[in-house]
Amino acid sequence: DAKTTQPTSMDCAEGRAANLPCNHSTISGNEYVYWYRQIHSQGPQYIIHGLKNNETNEMASLIITEDRKSSTLILPHATLRDTAVYYCIVRFMNYGGATNKLIFGTGTLLAVQP
Amino acid sequence: DAGVTQSPTHLIKTRGQQVTLRCSPKSGHDTVSWYQQALGQGPQFIFQYYEEEERQRGNFPDRFSGHQFPNYSSELNVNALLLGDSALYLCASSFGVQSNQPQHFGDGTRLSIL
Repeated sequence: DAKTTQPTSMDCAEGRAANLPCNHSTISGNEYVYWYRQIHSQGPQYIIHGLKNNETNEMASLIITEDRKSSTLILPHATLRDTAVYYCIVRFMNYGGATNKLIFGTGTLLAVQP
Repeated sequence: DAGVTQSPTHLIKTRGQQVTLRCSPKSGHDTVSWYQQALGQGPQFIFQYYEEEERQRGNFPDRFSGHQFPNYSSELNVNALLLGDSALYLCASSFGVQSNQPQHFGDGTRLSIL
């Protein structure tokens, strides 16, 4: 599975958009980009995933560059409850076998400030 | 719709003892994965169960074993506990092993070894 690089920490003002970058320069054609977040003392929460097109759901938007070597998770209006560690993960999809595991890095600690 | 549930939430054991942790997957899910999360680190993949068989395994010793039942629930067993086994143990469920659908996590069992 491709390795990801994320900043260790970021700050964001409440009500503003939070843009969390992730580099995955060795990503292959079969690898999806997943984003999870983990609020203190809870399990990781799934946010969004994508292959090559931009994706949006009720929580966030995922922007993947055309060469797929980096992506950005966008929280459009950050609130204090969005303070968490955000993990960017690339996952290889081999439809001939079981490759469903997730490999987590250390993520980005996003601190939303009032 | 109940999500992933884990029990117990907290557990204290002493070195050399054995422990069993339990997980009930999200409704409709048939695949269960287990992760270990040490303090300050991202979760690390232990193993995955599908159709009552271990399908993938991470870099964990044989002291870590598991089981999946016909109702898709799962157990994680750890024998001969070491101080280094103190961690948050997370269960994640998903549908199928060859799907790009995301894994959903429970809030974990906090295991402390004295």
